[in-house]
Amino acid sequence: AQSVTQLDSQVPVFEEAPVELRCNYSSSVSVYLFWYVQYPNQGLQLLLKYLSGSTLVKGINGFEAEFNKSQTSFHLRKPSVHISDTAEYFCAVSGTSYGKLTFGQGTILTVHP
Amino acid sequence: NAGVTQTPKFRVLKTGQSMTLLCAQDMNHEYMYWYRQDPGMGLRLIHYSVGEGTTAKGEVPDGYNVSRLKKQNFLLGLESAAPSQTSVYFCASTPDLGFYEQYFGPGTRLTVT
Repeated sequence: AQSVTQLDSQVPVFEEAPVELRCNYSSSVSVYLFWYVQYPNQGLQLLLKYLSGSTLVKGINGFEAEFNKSQTSFHLRKPSVHISDTAEYFCAVSGTSYGKLTFGQGTILTVHP
Repeated sequence: NAGVTQTPKFRVLKTGQSMTLLCAQDMNHEYMYWYRQDPGMGLRLIHYSVGEGTTAKGEVPDGYNVSRLKKQNFLLGLESAAPSQTSVYFCASTPDLGFYEQYFGPGTRLTVT
């Protein structure tokens, strides 16, 4: 069975400050990891994904994440946030034969001016 | 391409009523999924389909039925709505398992009173 834990339900931060959104997973099989973003009243949009290869993956809007197999983590980072980054962020893992995504509980990032 | 579309966007039902949510994708994707999103719980898989004419249960299938008579459409039915089914419903699709990214629709907000 797979599970995903996002360690912070809400993260407030000031504009231009760095941010890290934490994600830990558990799985008995090889995993593929994703971060999705959901802006208010919208669907989910893929930020970045880790399938294999380099453990540091870069995504859209200046976000990046690092896959750490020993710590079973996939934390999302951005060196300088903007007001427009205010959204809910979901970490997800896939590894089953039918492509099911298991999501974390979500982290609401609020960027203050 | 419209991508993944969902109909309707909003709906209010009374307990015991029935309805069908329609998901359509124009990307010729094989795999389709229905999720529900509840506060603090992330997204949970209701049902999924690995191709036209196939359906299977996900994590939380009770109270829902699905059909995929055409490759581009995936219908989610509620036969007798309950207040516990108040949620936001998202449909997603992916072309094949090797690709792994899922594309999400804009969601349907359902309230059962």
